[in-house]
Amino acid sequence: QVQLVESGGGEVKPGGSLRLSCAASGFTFSEAHMSWIRQAPGKGLEWLSCIAPGDNFIKYADSVRGRFTVSRDNAGNSLYLHMNSLRADDTAIYYCATEGNYKPHEYWGQGALVTVSS
Amino acid sequence: DIVLTQSPGTLSLSPGERATLSCRASQSIPYNYLAWYQQRPGQAPRPLISWASSRATGIPDRFSGSGSGTDFTLTISGLEPEDSGVYYCQQYGSMPLTFGGGTKVEI
Repeated sequence: QVQLVESGGGEVKPGGSLRLSCAASGFTFSEAHMSWIRQAPGKGLEWLSCIAPGDNFIKYADSVRGRFTVSRDNAGNSLYLHMNSLRADDTAIYYCATEGNYKPHEYWGQGALVTVSS
Repeated sequence: DIVLTQSPGTLSLSPGERATLSCRASQSIPYNYLAWYQQRPGQAPRPLISWASSRATGIPDRFSGSGSGTDFTLTISGLEPEDSGVYYCQQYGSMPLTFGGGTKVEI
């Protein structure tokens, strides 16, 4: 069955950096667009980024463009989110999910909590 | 950006009743690239409906989606206690992808 498992969350100070990972299994990762979505405490869902199977198409939300970078390792079935210049309002649960480019997010991970606090 | 406005904010209903959730887009969504997700407390969202009206695998037929253009509806017929949660609509046809603010269903 399809599994997406995020890791790398934690507490970081404002201005700091963190890298989230998402380990994928149960489907052909190298053929799937992948997305990152976050949810601040008590708030709704916010799409952050989408990356194509071959890295030739990458999109970001305005709120993270220039600070966050998405990448993937198809050989290792892994998705990454490199987060720099973190701010308090980046505090959220971060989910990786399949698709997002003209397809709905069929599968989601369980989420990784990122807390930005001094 | 396409803004999605969901209403009502909260819906309080009894088991067996029908819930009608609305999602209105600021501009027409092409090819009905509109999905609905359910999020129970402490859980990740799970897909219910895609392409405005196609049920995801394993979703009971009491969940149905309809609409086109800028107005979309999720209907839950015969509410069950496990249907409590927050429901989000999302458009996935235009970058940036956007979600509605959610409708909380209390049973």
